[in-house]
Amino acid sequence: QKEVEQDPGPLSVPEGAIVSLNCTYSNSAFQYFMWYRQYSRKGPELLMYTYSSGNKEDGRFTAQVDKSSKYISLFIRDSQPSDSATYLCAMGNAGNMLTFGGGTRLMVKP
Amino acid sequence: NAGVTQTPKFQVLKTGQSMTLQCAQDMNHNSMYWYRQDPGMGLRLIYYSASEGTTDKGEVPNGYNVSRLNKREFSLRLESAAPSQTSVYFCASSDEGRQPQHFGDGTRLSIL
Repeated sequence: QKEVEQDPGPLSVPEGAIVSLNCTYSNSAFQYFMWYRQYSRKGPELLMYTYSSGNKEDGRFTAQVDKSSKYISLFIRDSQPSDSATYLCAMGNAGNMLTFGGGTRLMVKP
Repeated sequence: NAGVTQTPKFQVLKTGQSMTLQCAQDMNHNSMYWYRQDPGMGLRLIYYSASEGTTDKGEVPNGYNVSRLNKREFSLRLESAAPSQTSVYFCASSDEGRQPQHFGDGTRLSIL
């Protein structure tokens, strides 16, 4: 079993939909959590970064962490075709090392 | 602001050839990383350098060597390329202490 599990998709939604992307993890030592967006033929780009359980909002994006359930989510409101990308969750413990999920491919159709 | 710059962007090699992938960052970060990304496998850490002058193995180091040339530059070398090393290679950098990593746009490497 992988330390971080993420449904690979693809997830296809109509423009304007609310998107929910999720990761589960098994290592209770993970302390901080990130979401990256990766466009085709580009490197991962940091979207959201949080230390604590609860919600963190940034524009149309909300990151949610539930440490008791070992579950994190990224919500995208009013999704746009430009949101079409692969979304990677990542998490780390005390040091600088990150463990990545395999990524979920999202397609937002006009 | 360039961030993390990787060269080359694309490369095709024959089995047994050697090659060095270059990475440079202009964010004054102490830590640098090399990953490979394969379909269905996600990002896997090859080597990292926590600070100038130090390097350590990651999850998949076999067949690779690295050099932290200075604070800005971290290179990855394939001494004798194998088809199993066909992948997209990403370099990243970060500050110390639970800081996010910032990635370059990758080198797409095919080994025939």
